[in-house]
Amino acid sequence: QKEVEQDPGPLSVPEGAIVSLNCTYSNSAFQYFMWYRQYSRKGPELLMYTYSSGNKEDGRFTAQVDKSSKYISLFIRDSQPSDSATYLCAMSVLNTGNQFYFGTGTSLTVIP
Amino acid sequence: GAVVSQHPSRVICKSGTSVKIECRSLDFQATTMFWYRQFPKKSLMLMATSNEGSKATYEQGVEKDKFLINHASLTLSTLTVTSAHPEDSSFYICSAPRPPGNTIYFGEGSWLTVV
Repeated sequence: QKEVEQDPGPLSVPEGAIVSLNCTYSNSAFQYFMWYRQYSRKGPELLMYTYSSGNKEDGRFTAQVDKSSKYISLFIRDSQPSDSATYLCAMSVLNTGNQFYFGTGTSLTVIP
Repeated sequence: GAVVSQHPSRVICKSGTSVKIECRSLDFQATTMFWYRQFPKKSLMLMATSNEGSKATYEQGVEKDKFLINHASLTLSTLTVTSAHPEDSSFYICSAPRPPGNTIYFGEGSWLTVV
């Protein structure tokens, strides 16, 4: 079983829709969770990070962590065509020598 | 602004030559940096972990003599693709964990084309 599972999509939504992107993980020791956005032919860009269970909001983006279910989500409200990209989740156990585990990425297209 | 800088963003080289890609942490010291390779529409593939003061750790299947990694300082790691061949053409990305919390930041990526 992979440490981190992420549905690769592709996911297509109309402009203005709420997008839900998800990752599941198997290691209950993961404490630190990150979401990245990668546009075509660019390096991944950090969107949000969180240490704890619950929700963290930043503009149109909300990161949600449910440690009991080993499940994290990224919600995008009022999606825009500029949100079309691949979204990667990542997680780690703190203080373990920089070991990070990435999902494979979900490709999102927002249709105008 | 950028936290990790990668250079060059694009490079074309002739088959058989070597090419060096630099990865710099801009406002923090990075004892560890990571190098990835990514094929079009595919996920990141970790190639190696660059360690300041010691040898790089390569992932299984990655040729260490082909992909030379040197962690030259606490802010610089380099990846040298030696005796490049067309099949080495790819998108190469570096990343570094930034304290506190060690959030991973990625460079902008480097497109290598071997002709």
